[in-house]
Amino acid sequence: KAGVTQTPRYLIKTRGQQVTLSCSPISGHRSVSWYQQTPGQGLQFLFEYFSETQRNKGNFPGRFSGRQFSNSRSEMNVSTLELGDSALYLCASSQTGSHLTGELFFGEGSRLTVL
Amino acid sequence: EDQVTQSPEALRLQEGESSSLNCSYTVSGLRGLFWYRQDPGKGPEFLFTLYSAGEEKEKERLKATLTKKESFLHITAPKPEDSATYLCALKGGNNRKLIWGLGTSLAVNP
Repeated sequence: KAGVTQTPRYLIKTRGQQVTLSCSPISGHRSVSWYQQTPGQGLQFLFEYFSETQRNKGNFPGRFSGRQFSNSRSEMNVSTLELGDSALYLCASSQTGSHLTGELFFGEGSRLTVL
Repeated sequence: EDQVTQSPEALRLQEGESSSLNCSYTVSGLRGLFWYRQDPGKGPEFLFTLYSAGEEKEKERLKATLTKKESFLHITAPKPEDSATYLCALKGGNNRKLIWGLGTSLAVNP
């Protein structure tokens, strides 16, 4: 069974640009969560989607947005990039969603560097 | 406010030297405490779920325990391949999101 796939794995952008990250969950998983991970802040929850609906949202500015498609694949977008957006962006999938279980399956992440 | 604090931040052990990692928490109505392992350049990998005080879970050289205020991850006779960052997370009754600790970075020297 294939795991969670995130693309791209690495990317470099400059301030002011925008970026789109993609996540393909494990087959059969309908929930996708996104996290930002930095050394000082740890894992910070961005948002969660279940069956194409955003079910939960973290405390991030509106520059961070996401969506989920009918095949459960998800994308997140960050507009007007800032230096502080440099981080590892992790996607996690689960069958029922993190509001019911803490057992999440993570991808390897997309490492974003903003110059 | 639900909170998770992990200690120590970093731990270096010799192969075979057993030790414990700590996860202290405050929560209104614990619905689950979770341990994950994260290798460099990878996403976290789920290890255990604990639901109530007194519960224990084991997997190979790892054993997780839970009290009303903290959880311990005991590592017995560790091997170099146990080197990783160990993350603790919890879910509280009033919160639909997982709350994560900053992790303990474990290095096991051969």
